[in-house]
Amino acid sequence: QKEVEQDPGPLSVPEGAIVSLNCTYSNSAFQYFMWYRQYSRKGPELLMYTYSSGNKEDGRFTAQVDKSSKYISLFIRDSQPSDSATYLCAMSAGGNEKLTFGTGTRLTIIP
Amino acid sequence: DVKVTQSSRYLVKRTGEKVFLECVQDMDHENMFWYRQDPGLGLRLIYFSYDVKMKEKGDIPEGYSVSREKKERFSLILESASTNQTSMYLCASSFMKNTEAFFGQGTRLTVV
Repeated sequence: QKEVEQDPGPLSVPEGAIVSLNCTYSNSAFQYFMWYRQYSRKGPELLMYTYSSGNKEDGRFTAQVDKSSKYISLFIRDSQPSDSATYLCAMSAGGNEKLTFGTGTRLTIIP
Repeated sequence: DVKVTQSSRYLVKRTGEKVFLECVQDMDHENMFWYRQDPGLGLRLIYFSYDVKMKEKGDIPEGYSVSREKKERFSLILESASTNQTSMYLCASSFMKNTEAFFGQGTRLTVV
């Protein structure tokens, strides 16, 4: 079993829909959680960063962490064609414990 | 804004060549990382460095080495390039160890 599981998709939704992207993990020591957006042939761009449990909102994006269920989510409201990309989750326990990445979910927003 | 700059976007090299991939960050981060990204395998850590002149092996260091002579610069070296090293190479830096990492634009290396 992988330490971080992420559905690879592809996921296609119509423009304006709410998108939900998810990762599950097995290591209860993880306390730093990140979401990255990666456009084709580009490097990952940090979208959201949260520490421990709870919600964080930034514009159309909301990150949720549920440590009791070992489950994190990224919600995108009013999705736009420019949101079409691969979304990677990443997490770590901090300190010398390296970042662990999901394999990414490919998202397409259909105009 | 954090900027991590990789010296090349695309490279084509021949088998057996020595290849240098350069990465520079402008945010005075102590921590720097090299990953490769392959379809279906995700991001894999090659080497990392928590300080100047310091380096640690990641998950897949075989066939690679690194150099960190200055805080802002972290170089990845392929000693003798092979076709199985064809990949997207990503450099990253972070202020705190193993948290918010900021990535460069990537170098797509093809070894022929």
